[in-house]
Amino acid sequence: QQPVQSPQAVILREGEDAVINCSSSKALYSVHWYRQKHGEAPIFLMILLKGGEQKGHDKISASFNEKKQQSSLYLTASQLSYSGTYFCGTELSGTSYGKLTFGQGTILTVHP
Amino acid sequence: GAGVSQSPRYKVTKRGQDVTLRCDPISSHATLYWYQQALGQGPEFLTYFNYEAQPDKSGLPSDRFSAERPEGSISTLTIQRTEQRDSAMYRCASSYRAGDNEQYFGPGTRLTVT
Repeated sequence: QQPVQSPQAVILREGEDAVINCSSSKALYSVHWYRQKHGEAPIFLMILLKGGEQKGHDKISASFNEKKQQSSLYLTASQLSYSGTYFCGTELSGTSYGKLTFGQGTILTVHP
Repeated sequence: GAGVSQSPRYKVTKRGQDVTLRCDPISSHATLYWYQQALGQGPEFLTYFNYEAQPDKSGLPSDRFSAERPEGSISTLTIQRTEQRDSAMYRCASSYRAGDNEQYFGPGTRLTVT
């Protein structure tokens, strides 16, 4: 039931792009993306809802393919501040109260 | 409040003791979630509240774990007869309402059972 994230880790230089994928074996109602820096709380990035559009702000965007139960997070022109662990949290169809199942995380490291 | 707060931030207890963790959500938020987060892993759902109601406690690992939110604001998570395997970060999150809303996470309580 836990979504699978790939890759497990990414190393970038400032300005490079990255894609993080999240895949579920169950039908999804929504996908949430969070970033967590070491020793800190997860910080919300965005939600993608079933039937919704691709979302984004600044240089971070995401898509949600409902048929494949997959979501991808796109980070363009990465900055040092993007470093951290990215988690997708999935909410199954049939639930609607925000019960999230998180993936194992993708560690993103951006070097100067 | 300005954000979600939790106390204590760190708790060391001996095996067999009871512990109570506290969460103070954002004041306008109806929904409160409890998660357990192991090192290097994503948060794992324990239970949630909609105001004072607790519709889902399916994630609580055993009957030693209980949570309450009697007045629909502050919540506590109690672990009775703690075991070493209970050692983890316990995080609370709140959202404006249940469902398609961002969850704001608190700083967590690091519990160590010796």
